[in-house]
Amino acid sequence: KAGVTQTPRYLIKTRGQQVTLSCSPISGHRSVSWYQQTPGQGLQFLFEYFSETQRNKGNFPGRFSGRQFSNSRSEMNVSTLELGDSALYLCASSHGQGPYEQYFGPGTRLTVT
Amino acid sequence: QKEVEQDPGPLSVPEGAIVSLNCTYSNSAFQYFMWYRQYSRKGPELLMYTYSSGNKEDGRFTAQVDKSSKYISLFIRDSQPSDSATYLCAIRRPSNTGKLIFGQGTTLQVKP
Repeated sequence: KAGVTQTPRYLIKTRGQQVTLSCSPISGHRSVSWYQQTPGQGLQFLFEYFSETQRNKGNFPGRFSGRQFSNSRSEMNVSTLELGDSALYLCASSHGQGPYEQYFGPGTRLTVT
Repeated sequence: QKEVEQDPGPLSVPEGAIVSLNCTYSNSAFQYFMWYRQYSRKGPELLMYTYSSGNKEDGRFTAQVDKSSKYISLFIRDSQPSDSATYLCAIRRPSNTGKLIFGQGTTLQVKP
């Protein structure tokens, strides 16, 4: 079974730009969660989508948004990029019900200059 | 106070040693506990998942949960250089599906 895939793997953007990251979950998984990982703050939860609806949200500003499509693929968008948005962005997929193990993708490393 | 605390290490042990990694959490509402391993520049890999007090074993790995003390542990037996990685504990409330709270991670080095 293929794992979680994320594209692109690396991105360099400048302040003020916006960026869209993509995540394809494991086949059959309906939940996708997004996390931000930085050396200072560690892994922090951004939001979760289940069946195209946002089910949980972390404490991030509104510049961070996401969506999920009918095939469970998910995108995350960050508008008006700031230097502090430089991080590894990880998505994790799960069934969304019952046993709730989350499986992570390799991440997208975003650098904001 | 952070919801979950984990000693960041680094922890250095000789090959073959037993490794003990630990986390404490603050709220008894957390009922699900996970351990992830993360190699440099990779995504976290799920090692263990448990929701009850006691021990759960999988090969060289044993996860231990003590809900009365709000303390979780991961033991690695016969450690190998390939175990060198960052180990992250994660916790979840029953109601917050999809939202994991992570510890800071412990960096482990196993020396040959």
